[in-house]
Amino acid sequence: AQTVTQSQPEMSVQEAETVTLSCTYDTSENNYYLFWYKQPPSRQMILVIRQEAYKQQNATENRFSVNFQKAAKSFSLKISDSQLGDTAMYFCAFMKLRGDDKIIFGKGTRLHILP
Amino acid sequence: GAVVSQHPSWVICKSGTSVKIECRSLDFQATTMFWYRQFPKQSLMLMATSNEGSKATYEQGVEKDKFLINHASLTLSTLTVTSAHPEDSSFYICLGVAGGEETQYFGPGTRLLVL
Repeated sequence: AQTVTQSQPEMSVQEAETVTLSCTYDTSENNYYLFWYKQPPSRQMILVIRQEAYKQQNATENRFSVNFQKAAKSFSLKISDSQLGDTAMYFCAFMKLRGDDKIIFGKGTRLHILP
Repeated sequence: GAVVSQHPSWVICKSGTSVKIECRSLDFQATTMFWYRQFPKQSLMLMATSNEGSKATYEQGVEKDKFLINHASLTLSTLTVTSAHPEDSSFYICLGVAGGEETQYFGPGTRLLVL
């Protein structure tokens, strides 16, 4: 069975700083997807970034980038130039390669961006 | 673009009554719909997986007779909480997946409060 671990329940950083959220996972699969989802107070789940395990290049989306270390089963999210609107819960998630397989979520990290 | 609508957005009901939550996929066909439950300050926990035209697969510990899932068409899946009790109060969220694709779309969620 797959597991996703987020070891930082809560973090706070000053606006404009860079912050890194940690995520490790466990799987025997070789091909899979990893995700970071943002859940603001509205509770709508928003996809931040997605990484295909078969791609060595780290995914980036504007201020968001990941450090994907497949051998170490690590998938951290870096937010650069953090903004007040980045305040939210962030969930790391895993899915097998098949698109209709379930997504397993970590417990989440609550991120506060301070003015 | 493709989205998933979810209704109602929130509902308050008396203990012992049943509540139906609908998720509709817009501009895409959701061959698979995942149903998650999220308690306050916790992560999303998968309840069940439903594929269009077949019976839902429930996660361990989820009562299939209490949480009835119907996925009669490629654009509509419903979750009925039968004989709801206060401990069923939670945030319920659906996730639609287009067949054979890795793209998923979350509904906006339903807040259920059982008095």
